[in-house]
Amino acid sequence: ELKVEQNPLFLSMQEGKNYTIYCNYSTTSDRLYWYRQDPGKSLESLFVLLSNGAVKQEGRLMASLDTKARLSTLHITAAVHDLSATYFCAVDIGAGNMLTFGGGTRLMVKP
Amino acid sequence: DVKVTQSSRYLVKRTGEKVFLECVQDMDHENMFWYRQDPGLGLRLIYFSYDVKMKEKGDIPEGYSVSREKKERFSLILESASTNQTSMYLCASTENTGELFFGEGSRLTVL
Repeated sequence: ELKVEQNPLFLSMQEGKNYTIYCNYSTTSDRLYWYRQDPGKSLESLFVLLSNGAVKQEGRLMASLDTKARLSTLHITAAVHDLSATYFCAVDIGAGNMLTFGGGTRLMVKP
Repeated sequence: DVKVTQSSRYLVKRTGEKVFLECVQDMDHENMFWYRQDPGLGLRLIYFSYDVKMKEKGDIPEGYSVSREKKERFSLILESASTNQTSMYLCASTENTGELFFGEGSRLTVL
């Protein structure tokens, strides 16, 4: 059974600081996705990582994938308040487009 | 842009009522999904469909059924709602890339 674990589950940080969210998974996969969810809203796709060593960047967020370590990271650079949200990673093991989601990381950026 | 529309954002039902949650996508996607999201439990897959009239059970199908009569529409049915089905329900679709596009969510309260 595929397990996807994120840490930390909750992160409170000051504006301007850097931090990394980790996503570990238990079964071989080379397809990983990051989503953002604002309170009371649905999930929005952030990054699609489809191969070992894939790196994607959008604004202050950068995601990477190491399939050998079964690890993805979401790095936040110089955080701003607008980045406050819950971030989910999700892993695809090729079983008919079914994704297994991590538990989510609730990020609070204090102004 | 992909649009996934869920018919009801908020519903309040009584125990034993039949509940229909409707989801429509406008991108001709083959695959559609129903998830529920609960605090501390993340997203859990209820059912998915990979073609019209085709459906597969997800991780927690008990107490639910689904209907996919047209490609763009995927309905989740609670035959007899119970209080433990109070949750946020999220519909999603994808075209074999694995990247899911989510609707806004339907928050169901069962009294």
